[in-house]
Amino acid sequence: DAMVIQNPRYQVTQFGKPVTLSCSQTLNHNVMYWYQQKSSQAPKLLFHYYDKDFNNEADTPDNFQSRRPNTSFCFLDIRSPGLGDAAMYLCATSIDRASSSYEQYFGPGTRLTVT
Amino acid sequence: GDSVTQMEGPVTLSEEAFLTINCTYTATGYPSLFWYVQYPGEGLQLLLKATKADDKGSNKGFEATYRKETTSFHLEKGSVQVSDSAVYFCALLRYNAGNMLTFGGGTRLMVKP
Repeated sequence: DAMVIQNPRYQVTQFGKPVTLSCSQTLNHNVMYWYQQKSSQAPKLLFHYYDKDFNNEADTPDNFQSRRPNTSFCFLDIRSPGLGDAAMYLCATSIDRASSSYEQYFGPGTRLTVT
Repeated sequence: GDSVTQMEGPVTLSEEAFLTINCTYTATGYPSLFWYVQYPGEGLQLLLKATKADDKGSNKGFEATYRKETTSFHLEKGSVQVSDSAVYFCALLRYNAGNMLTFGGGTRLMVKP
């Protein structure tokens, strides 16, 4: 089945130690998103890629960066995680072409713990 | 700007009870409307959607009708099950570069046997 895959599902890192979360998709969607979600609050958009174009939300901390080496993969890098960065990180994809349905498809998420 | 308002939870119901979760929105133009469901420890799953006024989205016994005159998209289910316990998010999307979602705050549903 076509899907959005996130690895790992659970990640533990130390305060200040860089960490990378990964997302892959088999949907061939051209838009990929990274969200941060805390305590069943609404997901907060960090950034998105429209094809290769990177779009950062204005309030996303500089500590968060992203890479999209190809259509299928997208990475979230947290350069120096703080305790406040502990959260669920959700990857999503959508397609932005004519005759498409546009909704976003979410992966299962990676729960990040910072010790 | 766009916004979505959901009733606050938690909503606690007994099995087989009728469910309504209210959702209203503010947006210009004609957004598409969605309900997503999130089970504990998992990502968001699209539950249903409606893309234009008077459309009814339905899935797994859940329904919601896009009411432009009241700017609402209330989620309903006639008979809830314990397995429906989850957090439900209402969201809108306006078609533009990137297709951004605007989420409501989420409503936790707890169904007791």
